[in-house]
Amino acid sequence: SQTIHQWPATLVQPVGSPLSLECTVEGTSNPNLYWYRQAAGRGLQLLFYSVGIGQISSEVPQNLSASRPQDRQFILSSKKLLLSDSGFYLCAWSVRRDNSPLHFGNGTRLTVT
Amino acid sequence: AQTVTQSQPEMSVQEAETVTLSCTYDTSESDYYLFWYKQPPSRQMILVIRQEAYKQQNATENRFSVNFQKAAKSFSLKISDSQLGDAAMYFCAYRRKIYNQGGKLIFGQGTELSVKP
Repeated sequence: SQTIHQWPATLVQPVGSPLSLECTVEGTSNPNLYWYRQAAGRGLQLLFYSVGIGQISSEVPQNLSASRPQDRQFILSSKKLLLSDSGFYLCAWSVRRDNSPLHFGNGTRLTVT
Repeated sequence: AQTVTQSQPEMSVQEAETVTLSCTYDTSESDYYLFWYKQPPSRQMILVIRQEAYKQQNATENRFSVNFQKAAKSFSLKISDSQLGDAAMYFCAYRRKIYNQGGKLIFGQGTELSVKP
């Protein structure tokens, strides 16, 4: 069966420090991968998605970047964190089939101090 | 651009009763997919039910069912025989076809459902 791992679960970082959140998927190949951010327990905002290795699409201009160095690995990064980067970050994957749902990781709660 | 609107920030239901959560969306596309996700306090996103726009029949999963009105662009979720474990944030989501922007999921702002014993 397929599983998604996302870490760390919680992270407290000072303003100006770098960020690296990692997500890996097991049990499938060629997945579509997604990074979402959820602020204040409300709606999820899509940050990046990837349809293949090295292929990254950005949805919202911001202080963050994403990379996909391997088929089932998706990394969210920042060179210098801002206070506004605080939030709950969710990684998700789906098979490349129209009616497939997104399957989410357990999320990372990031607090920038 | 597609948008999803959940007009009820909070809802409450008595245990064993039925509750309906509303969702409307805006799109010019004719073929798409709709989902309801549940997010309990653990914040894990759990798929509740899905609907394919080209299917007229409303989807059903045990106590959960939808009322899909394509012309009205409405996709409500009905929870029957509500249980305490149903208490969570519920999100309605719209998915484009895979070839279009990677089949990204567009979420509504959520409805917080509380269940009273």
